[in-house]
Amino acid sequence: QSVLTQPPSVSAAPGQKVTISCSGSSSNIGNNYVSWYQQLPGTAPKLLIYDNNKRPSGIPDRFSGSKSGTSATLGITGLQTGDEADYYCGTWDSSLSAGDVVFGGGTKLTVL
Amino acid sequence: QVQLQESGPGLVKPSETLSLTCAVSGYSISSGYYWGWIRQPPGKGLEWIGSIYHSGSTYYNPSLKSRVTISVDTSKNQFSLKLSSVTAADTAVYYCARHVGIAAAGNWFDPWGQGTLVTVSS
Repeated sequence: QSVLTQPPSVSAAPGQKVTISCSGSSSNIGNNYVSWYQQLPGTAPKLLIYDNNKRPSGIPDRFSGSKSGTSATLGITGLQTGDEADYYCGTWDSSLSAGDVVFGGGTKLTVL
Repeated sequence: QVQLQESGPGLVKPSETLSLTCAVSGYSISSGYYWGWIRQPPGKGLEWIGSIYHSGSTYYNPSLKSRVTISVDTSKNQFSLKLSSVTAADTAVYYCARHVGIAAAGNWFDPWGQGTLVTVSS
């Protein structure tokens, strides 16, 4: 059971737009920055978004991030078959005195 | 650019200690940032294990803290993970990564190593 809640799967056609939600609480998303990762089949996760909405160098602007209250959203426009992957959100959780890094359970994106 | 590479035994017996090392190239660990370990059981999601600063300061996942030790060797530009008393539930792909902005100061992992599968079995 993950601390952050993501839908298990989403799907859309090539060229379309999809959003992936990540729901948490005031102890994590509500008061901390969110990052997003893309994991292509058989590979290591790759950073897509940090600080809620910033893209690292080399990440196309088809990928976007936003946060509102205790939820965050990853948006992908102009879907390509190469975007088929698992997507994870992550953030810091301060519910315990020492703190903790928490991830969502992951969302599998299928490009139909 | 910064690159990370995990190494260590791919098979560990139950009740023994899992030991992995992450070699960093293209960046000096002594220059800053935290450096972390994350694992992923087969077919499951990501779980943070812990992170270390070049000074030796550490943060650990509270659920694993009693069994985890992360250390750093700045002379070799590498950091290591030890997980004691392993069981089959510790079977996973183990990744190392640079941990940027730990705690409330951002908090993200980039880049990641390619990962190494560790199986716990007799």
